Amino acid sequence: EVQLVQSGPEVKEPGESLKISCQGSGYTFAKFWIAWVRQMPGKGLEWMGIIYPDDSDTRYSPSFQGQVTISADKSISTVYLQWSSLKASDTAYYYCVRPTLNGNSIRYIDSWGQGSLVSVSS
Amino acid sequence: QSDLTQPASVSGSLGQSVTVSCTGTSSDIGGYKYVSWYQQHPGKAPKVLIYDVSYRPSGVSNRFSGSKSGNTASLTISALQPEDEADYYCSSFSIRSSLLVLFGGGTRLTVL
Repeated sequence: EVQLVQSGPEVKEPGESLKISCQGSGYTFAKFWIAWVRQMPGKGLEWMGIIYPDDSDTRYSPSFQGQVTISADKSISTVYLQWSSLKASDTAYYYCVRPTLNGNSIRYIDSWGQGSLVSVSS
Repeated sequence: QSDLTQPASVSGSLGQSVTVSCTGTSSDIGGYKYVSWYQQHPGKAPKVLIYDVSYRPSGVSNRFSGSKSGNTASLTISALQPEDEADYYCSSFSIRSSLLVLFGGGTRLTVL
């Protein structure tokens, strides 16, 4: 069974840095793309970016380019999402997801992590 | 402003059917078969209901069905049950950017 287990809730102040994680199991972790999806309070889903753990090939949605960094450590089957300087507007749930692809075309998301709540407030 | 347009809310009575629409362009929904739908209950992660426009993963009730016409995809839920009350999101591949997914803004379904 595919499982994506994310790190716990975080409470931070504006300007602080943060790195949250997502550990995969139940499949060959390095050979499947993993993406991050943001959901702000009471709002919809937003695609942030995607990484291929085997070679760390990373692509960002234009809206998130330069705002976050996605990385991976395939030796421990973990993908990360990090911020260097948080803003209050980064308050949201963040989901790691595993998409099913056909070539470079994403067909759908077959697995979701449980979500990590990031709260940023002074 | 989401890339795909969904109604903010729909409602239906127990046992009836409802349809949720999702409108895009010829660069996404209209041009490709990679449309999917997700259900999200409060406080939970979304789960896939429909993929490739009209296919259901194993374990998903056959009360959920998907279709597409032109640039608009639709999710139909028949024989509404109380547990169907949730948020529903459509998603599509876009030729404008590979390895990126477009989402609709979400539709809140109320079961009366």
